Amino acid sequence: EAGVTQSPTHLIKTRGQQATLRCSPISGHTSVYWYQQALGLGLQFLLWYDEGEERNRGNFPPRFSGRQFPNYSSELNVNALELEDSALYLCASSHGQGVGETQYFGPGTRLLVL
Amino acid sequence: DQQVKQNSPSLSVQEGRISILNCDYTNSMFDYFLWYKKYPAEGPTFLISISSIKDKNEDGRFTVFLNKSAKHLSLHIVPSQPGDSAVYFCAVYAGNNRKLIWGLGTSLAVNP
Repeated sequence: EAGVTQSPTHLIKTRGQQATLRCSPISGHTSVYWYQQALGLGLQFLLWYDEGEERNRGNFPPRFSGRQFPNYSSELNVNALELEDSALYLCASSHGQGVGETQYFGPGTRLLVL
Repeated sequence: DQQVKQNSPSLSVQEGRISILNCDYTNSMFDYFLWYKKYPAEGPTFLISISSIKDKNEDGRFTVFLNKSAKHLSLHIVPSQPGDSAVYFCAVYAGNNRKLIWGLGTSLAVNP
């Protein structure tokens, strides 16, 4: 069974541009989560999507947004990029059926903002 | 303010011995706890979890202990193997909002 996949693996942008990151969940999983891991910091929760709806959002500005498509894949968009947005962006998926669900992670997209 | 703390940034253990990784949390409302390990250039891999209604969960070489009164959990790896060398993260859930709160990780080195 294929795991969570993310694309691209690396992305280089300049300040002020927009970045789009993509994630495909494990087959059968309906929930998708996005996390940011900046250098020297732990993983920070960004967004949770389930059944096409945004269910929860972390403490990030509105220029971080996303969506979930009917096939449960997801896109994270970061507008007006700032230097401090440089980080590893991780996507995870889960069954979406209960409390304490295990989240399974993809390999991440490393975003560098110059 | 860190709600989940892994106070040891690194740990070195001899192959075959026990590795003990610790995690402290601040909020007694946290009710589900997970351990992940992460190799460089890969996403975190789920290891083992425990609910707040239990104090121990075991899966092969991995055992997680939860001390609710001390707001402390630990991961024991016995016996440790060189392939266990990775960064280990403690993560917790608070309620059903699916937001995992993470520690900063402990880098484990298992020496042959």
